Parts: sequence; structure tokens; C-alpha cells
Amino acid sequence: DIQMTQSPPSLSASLGDRVIITCRASQTISNYLNWYQQKPGKAPKLLIYATSSLQSGVPSRFSGIQTGTDFTLTISSLQPEDFATYYCQQTYSAPFTFGPGTKVDIK
Amino acid sequence: QVQLQESGPGLVRPSQTLSLTCTVSGAFVNSGGHYWTWIRQRPGEGLESIGYIRFGTTHLNPALKSRVIISVDPSKNLFSLDLTSVTAADTAVYYCARGVTDHTSGWSWFDPWGPGTLVIVSS
Repeated sequence: DIQMTQSPPSLSASLGDRVIITCRASQTISNYLNWYQQKPGKAPKLLIYATSSLQSGVPSRFSGIQTGTDFTLTISSLQPEDFATYYCQQTYSAPFTFGPGTKVDIK
Repeated sequence: QVQLQESGPGLVRPSQTLSLTCTVSGAFVNSGGHYWTWIRQRPGEGLESIGYIRFGTTHLNPALKSRVIISVDPSKNLFSLDLTSVTAADTAVYYCARGVTDHTSGWSWFDPWGPGTLVIVSS
């Protein structure tokens, strides 16, 4: 199985901050990388697919890029509704594994 | 608008079989463009793919493969999960989701998800 890692495991940020979350795969996954947002007690919600494609209806403050073997999710200006846990997922090879998550909370 | 809804018992005895269904609306489970997947999340933990079914063929997480059956019932437009010989370690919120694939690029993602159902394994 492809192992996914994320950093940091958690972070505290203020409204308006720029937040960057990084994800790395244990082997090449090309650009088969998705990002999900999960709020407590709710199902994950797709934010970005194929590394950088914004899902319909997702605010443009969310963006994703790939730099070498690292994938990053950026929230350009943190809003109150963005406090949540974020997961990356590779769909290059089954089983489609997820990262352990990054929890974003209020500073 | 595609919607998914999990259903099944919230409590299962150890060694028994956990059986869940996912009812789909707004899409057909026997349509070729998508696949249907199960994911679980143990309390306080991350997301674990259980497996998926596409064109009647299942692709299962090797860690669970010997205990998992995923099937589709087109007549009821739902798909199902059976997990046998459960233990307390199978206590989790179980999610179903639609898998979407871009057939040109091969990119794939899960969207939408059902709200999830908590299954507790306990005697």
C-alpha cells in the first residue's frame, strides 16, 4: 500500500491567516492526489482533486499544488468555516489511502 | 443531485457479521461511469478505505480483504458491505461514497459521501 504522510498534524491559526498543509506519498503517485475537509460529526467533503482542480462550489481561497514529491493545500485567508481537519488521499493505486489528517483550530 | 445514505444496525456482537447498505439517489449504481466505495473511521482516527465495486468487480483493501464482501443491488439502487468476524477494532463510523473517474486522465476522487453511520462492536 502507498503510505501518505501529512504535516503538521495540527496547527493553530487566526482568521485571515495563510495556512499551508503538506502531504507526501511513500512512492510516486503522479498527480493523483485529492484533498478533503472534515468537520466534527460530518462526512468528509471533497475540496480539490487531481492535485489542483477545485471542486465545484469550493471557495477560491483553497488551492493545491505539487512541488516534486510534496503536495500542498493552501488556504489563502482563513475563514471561520475553515476550522476543520484536512485529509489528503492518493488514487494512483488501490487501496486508495488517506493521510492521517491535519487539524486546523483557532489560535 | 446525487445523495447517499448508509443504513444498518448500530450494534453488532463480536464474531458476528456487520452488514450495511448504502442507498443511492440521483444516480444509478449500475452506471458505468462511477464506482461505489466504503470507507471507515475509527473513533478519533483517520480515514481507511475498505474497498470499492466497479462493473461488478470488487477491489478490496488487502488488510480487510478476507472479511469483506461488497455487492450491488441495481433493483434497489443500493450497494452493500458485509464485514465478517468483527471485533472491537471494527467499531467505527462507516461511510459510503461515489467514486468518480475521469476516463481521459485516470484521475479519481470520492464525491459525494453519505453522512456516515456509527457501528459499535460489543457484547
